[in-house]
Amino acid sequence: NAGVTQTPKFQVLKTGQSMTLQCAQDMNHEYMSWYRQDPGMGLRLIHYSVGAGITDQGEVPNGYNVSRSTTEDFPLRLLSAAPSQTSVYFCASSYSGGRDQETQYFGPGTRLLVL
Amino acid sequence: GNSVTQMEGPVTLSEEAFLTINCTYTATGYPSLFWYVQYPGEGLQLLLKATKADDKGSNKGFEATYRKETTSFHLEKGSVQVSDSAVYFCALSGGSNYKLTFGKGTLLTVNP
Repeated sequence: NAGVTQTPKFQVLKTGQSMTLQCAQDMNHEYMSWYRQDPGMGLRLIHYSVGAGITDQGEVPNGYNVSRSTTEDFPLRLLSAAPSQTSVYFCASSYSGGRDQETQYFGPGTRLLVL
Repeated sequence: GNSVTQMEGPVTLSEEAFLTINCTYTATGYPSLFWYVQYPGEGLQLLLKATKADDKGSNKGFEATYRKETTSFHLEKGSVQVSDSAVYFCALSGGSNYKLTFGKGTLLTVNP
């Protein structure tokens, strides 16, 4: 049981380039989400999904796209990277239904640097 | 909207010292409250949680009590170890959108 996995661990992009951050979980969790972590800001929710085919925006969605075609995978796409997107990105997942859905399990993170 | 305020760091303690990290929150309804820990170079791990008023969450010697009257969820440990050095995040979850609202994090360094 690998839990939540993220690739790559580290990436450098130039302004305007695109890339996809991968996230997968093997716990059959319905709920998945993406956060970004910036110094002094805590973690802020980018997008989330309550099941395959269903996504919604979080607190800071601009510049990011998501889709959820399977229960296991929830990729985050940067269509045109900007220096303001330099951050550490965390994917998380949880069960749905009742209070259990509120305990989220996090991946190890992807550190992104946009030059 | 929901918000979490936790004490600013960094906090530096000697091994076996008593630890308190303050956390207060603002929320509508009856949120669940969490402490997550992030060890250097790793993702966040759930440390403990409480789902209703007066509940006490505990794990690895850490404790926090859900105080609705003071809207607080302070983290405590009686005797810290070097291995407790990490960033600690207070968070709350409430409502139907599954969203976790985090505090800014408190860096704890424990010296031998």
